[in-house]
Amino acid sequence: DAGITQSPRHKVTETGTPVTLRCHQTENHRYMYWYRQDPGHGLRLIHYSYGVKDTDKGEVSDGYSVSRSKTEDFLLTLESATSSQTSVYFCAIRRGTENYGYTFGSGTRLTVV
Amino acid sequence: GENVEQHPSTLSVQEGDSAVIKCTYSDSASNYFPWYKQELGKGPQLIIDIRSNVGEKKDQRIAVTLNKTAKHFSLHITETQPEDSAVYFCAASIYDMRFGAGTRLTVKP
Repeated sequence: DAGITQSPRHKVTETGTPVTLRCHQTENHRYMYWYRQDPGHGLRLIHYSYGVKDTDKGEVSDGYSVSRSKTEDFLLTLESATSSQTSVYFCAIRRGTENYGYTFGSGTRLTVV
Repeated sequence: GENVEQHPSTLSVQEGDSAVIKCTYSDSASNYFPWYKQELGKGPQLIIDIRSNVGEKKDQRIAVTLNKTAKHFSLHITETQPEDSAVYFCAASIYDMRFGAGTRLTVKP
């Protein structure tokens, strides 16, 4: 949607394995976000980035790390996946500096078995 | 940090009726309030937003109202259609956005 691509779309992995999810944008926006979506919790912020190599934690960052070496790519890594990290993960961009709605990708459904 | 509560969690209406979803927020400094619609298997999509200096905003069949004193805002959908069936999320933002838990709206033909 609108220049945001998430990969993979679906992944099943085993407990204890590392997993990396990728978010790619084509519009050169500064702000990028990773959210997880779980029933009853809505969307919760994991990490966000406000520029190349500039990242910060969100409300549910434990067990996750991120990297942004290029403007267009924002990677989310689960260092050692746990069953509690089974979720749908969404990447989003913000088109303005503040007070602008986000544009979300199509999501990655991750299952940790 | 900001806390956003959304009600109801599920809402079922007949086609043509109106639907109202309500949200409250905790941080009086929040100044931007978007609403998102999420269809099955897709990411949330921005449908309407309102800023803190405005009390009401309309876009065709949807409208949003904001009461800053009471710290609540609402989404109103009139003349509902089956394609309005989806999950709707409210959000409140100062710099980062906090979302409500979502409302699953079902419009029965």
